[in-house]
Amino acid sequence: AQSVTQPDIHITVSEGASLELRCNYSYGATPYLFWYVQSPGQGLQLLLKYFSGDTLVQGIKGFEAEFKRSQSSFNLRKPSVHWSDAAEYFCAVGANTGTASKLTFGTGTRLQVTL
Amino acid sequence: NAGVTQTPKFRILKIGQSMTLQCTQDMNHNYMYWYRQDPGMGLKLIYYSVGAGITDKGEVPNGYNVSRSTTEDFPLRLELAAPSQTSVYFCASRGGEGSRGGVGKRAEAFFGQGTRLTVV
Repeated sequence: AQSVTQPDIHITVSEGASLELRCNYSYGATPYLFWYVQSPGQGLQLLLKYFSGDTLVQGIKGFEAEFKRSQSSFNLRKPSVHWSDAAEYFCAVGANTGTASKLTFGTGTRLQVTL
Repeated sequence: NAGVTQTPKFRILKIGQSMTLQCTQDMNHNYMYWYRQDPGMGLKLIYYSVGAGITDKGEVPNGYNVSRSTTEDFPLRLELAAPSQTSVYFCASRGGEGSRGGVGKRAEAFFGQGTRLTVV
């Protein structure tokens, strides 16, 4: 069964500092991987996705993530955090066909940004 | 671009009442999902559908029912509301196999704005 682990429940960084949010997944084949962001009271917005090719993917709002098959990881990074990045971030794993069409989410990491 | 539309946005139910959460998408997506989100628990899959007439249980289906009579609509039914069903519910859709667009586009899920349900 597919699963996602986000080991950090809550992270606090200073504005302008770099950020890395961790995500580990379990999946039997090459996964599709996603990072979503959720602002308070809002739905989920896709930041970036990986499905094949270059293992370093660029997303919106200056975020990037790197797929590392050997570590079963898909960590999200941003070189310089802005106060508006404060939100909850979810990593998800899925596939495109058949019974593996479910999307499984991690429990989320809440990011707080201090000024 | 409407995307995924959920109604209502908020609802308060009494224990034992029933209701239907509506979800519709205008992207001709094959796959649709219902999730519930509880604090600190992330999103848990309730039910999903890979096409009209096909539905399947997710991780937490008890107390819920779904139907998928059209590609566009995927309503979630609560028959006998219980306090444990107090949550925020999200509907999502994605293209999936057989839909238009490249691989990455078919894999991307789009979410509605959510329905906040309180059972008292």
